[in-house]
Amino acid sequence: LMTQSPATLSVSPGERATLSCRASQSIRTNLAWYQHKPGQAPRLLVYGASTRATGVPAKFSGSGSGTEFTLTISSLQSEDFAVYYCQQYNNWPPITFGQGTRLEIK
Amino acid sequence: QVQLVESGGGVVQPGMSLRLSCAASGFTLSDYGMHWVRLAPGKGLEWVALLRSDGNRKDYSDYVKGRFTISRDNSQNTMYLQMDSLGVDDTAMYYCARDDNRLDNAFDIWGQGTMVIVSS
Repeated sequence: LMTQSPATLSVSPGERATLSCRASQSIRTNLAWYQHKPGQAPRLLVYGASTRATGVPAKFSGSGSGTEFTLTISSLQSEDFAVYYCQQYNNWPPITFGQGTRLEIK
Repeated sequence: QVQLVESGGGVVQPGMSLRLSCAASGFTLSDYGMHWVRLAPGKGLEWVALLRSDGNRKDYSDYVKGRFTISRDNSQNTMYLQMDSLGVDDTAMYYCARDDNRLDNAFDIWGQGTMVIVSS
């Protein structure tokens, strides 16, 4: 089970957002983060807990291992406001996603 | 250009069937593990099914096991999801996605989705 917190995060443009994801048991670093905007395909941001996918700017930073993971987004811009999901692929199937964190403009 | 395009969604009554398609371009579908993921209204992403690159191993979530069938046609470079005995809880946007073992099997390519509405 993957648990994300908070469910909704309100942050002002230019500030930093910190999103959390907790696994019910150790998943080592087998975790990915995705960004999803309405009407668009989800986008892979980070895999292996901390490796940015191709083309993802350095403002997105993933960290953690075991059961605790964090996605940090610095200098928030309008295009960063979206829903973010973590996903574990340590022991699959099933592949499981967190319930998502909605990042909204404060 | 590497992309996935889903089609086949629509409005159906409970108990009916629907087949979704996922057409790949820019890469060979059979070289990758391929998945279906859905997003129900007001909920989060939910993994539905997996077809491994060898084409033999298929896995399903407990919610769809026995009702949904994943398959592919290599000649068409297309994956399918046959959905039978649909229920209202199956209402969702359905996405196909590719996993890449060079990226720890994270889902690096997604389609735009196709909407399935199950309603009487």
